Amino acid sequence: GESVGLHLPTLSVQEGDNSIINCAYSNSASDYFIWYKQESGKGPQFIIDIRSNMDKRQGQRVTVLLNKTVKHLSLQIAATQPGDSAVYFCAENDTGRRALTFGSGTRLQVQP
Amino acid sequence: NAGVTQTPKFRILKIGQSMTLQCTQDMNHNYMYWYRQDPGMGLKLIYYSVGAGITDKGEVPNGYNVSRSTTEDFPLRLELAAPSQTSVYFCASSYGGGLAGDEQFFGPGTRLTVL
Repeated sequence: GESVGLHLPTLSVQEGDNSIINCAYSNSASDYFIWYKQESGKGPQFIIDIRSNMDKRQGQRVTVLLNKTVKHLSLQIAATQPGDSAVYFCAENDTGRRALTFGSGTRLQVQP
Repeated sequence: NAGVTQTPKFRILKIGQSMTLQCTQDMNHNYMYWYRQDPGMGLKLIYYSVGAGITDKGEVPNGYNVSRSTTEDFPLRLELAAPSQTSVYFCASSYGGGLAGDEQFFGPGTRLTVL
């Protein structure tokens, strides 16, 4: 069935470096994508989203890039901080169900 | 606003027991969702609701039931608990159903163990 997945299960970066977390999706009809951050023992927290009519969207220290040609989504975190350590999920909307399909997540570890 | 609240935070059940996971939101959101998250995995949709009195199945509904009698509450019922239902359960809500620009807000989760 349709699915959203991630290339890397764990990413380790040095504090201050930039992080890039990747995500592949298979549903070409999806028109909305979201990145969530989940800290240990907590529920997912919205980071940034992007609509399918956009290629790039920037937030505070975060940028999401969307390549519809290869169905690829990425999250870039600038100047990664220890507080960025968490699991990051990409998700896509399912307009038929008005619900999200989540990927399996990437764990980001920030080394001091 | 308290946002999305869930009770209990933790629960241990014996096989065959039943329980209800409570979820309440105070944001007047139309849409509410139940997800389960197995260790090291993403979230899978169990059930969702587009408004009071309306519910629909998600990806993994077997073994669960829901009801939506009010806008605020969306309880999840496990009738005959099985070890396969050991997971962390998250409730979420949104105003417009996950359309572009419509954020889903998540509760803190309920960690359920079935022994």
